[in-house]
Amino acid sequence: DADVTQTPRNRITKTGKRIMLECSQTKGHDRMYWYRQDPGLGLRLIYYSFDVKDINKGEISDGYSVSRQAQAKFSLSLESAIPNQTALYFCATSDSSTNTEAFFGQGTRLTVV
Amino acid sequence: SQQGEEDPQALSIQEGENATMNCSYKTSINNLQWYRQNSGRGLVHLILIRSNEREKHSGRLRVTLDTSKKSSSLLITASRAADTASYFCATGSSNTGFQKLVFGTGTRLLVSP
Repeated sequence: DADVTQTPRNRITKTGKRIMLECSQTKGHDRMYWYRQDPGLGLRLIYYSFDVKDINKGEISDGYSVSRQAQAKFSLSLESAIPNQTALYFCATSDSSTNTEAFFGQGTRLTVV
Repeated sequence: SQQGEEDPQALSIQEGENATMNCSYKTSINNLQWYRQNSGRGLVHLILIRSNEREKHSGRLRVTLDTSKKSSSLLITASRAADTASYFCATGSSNTGFQKLVFGTGTRLLVSP
């Protein structure tokens, strides 16, 4: 089983719909992140969380919200999806005690039509 | 805005050749990390080099860091077809105790048999 699991893996949704992407981890890490990947732009940080109930905005948080319901779970919501939110979304985790590498999920490919 | 910029954007070589890709960044860092991404999949951590290190090896990987030039290079020796992937550098900085990773736009490596 993967250490960082994202659901769904693929999703097509209509403009204006609310959608939630979920992430769970079994690594016991305290820090979790949501990134967005677009062709030619690399990965950009949407939100990050140090621990349960801790939420911080990244560089492109507009149009998104997150919830850290438990240490192992970090969900990303698009309240009203728009086509330019079509992208590949990644959840990642890291351990503050080592403060080094991040571990990524397999990604969610979201298409907003 | 992106912190790291990889160069070249794309690299095509034959199996057995060496592949070199470069990363430049803008601000001071605690460490620089290289990640690999197979098409449409999550990123996998390859190697980390700290700001007080100049060179690091891991198997067929060799990473150098020049903090005076704000640049790093990743060398993959004796490339294999399985090395075909996108490679990203990510800089880690910690002004507040939180290491924020900022990713570059990536180098797409194609290794032909």
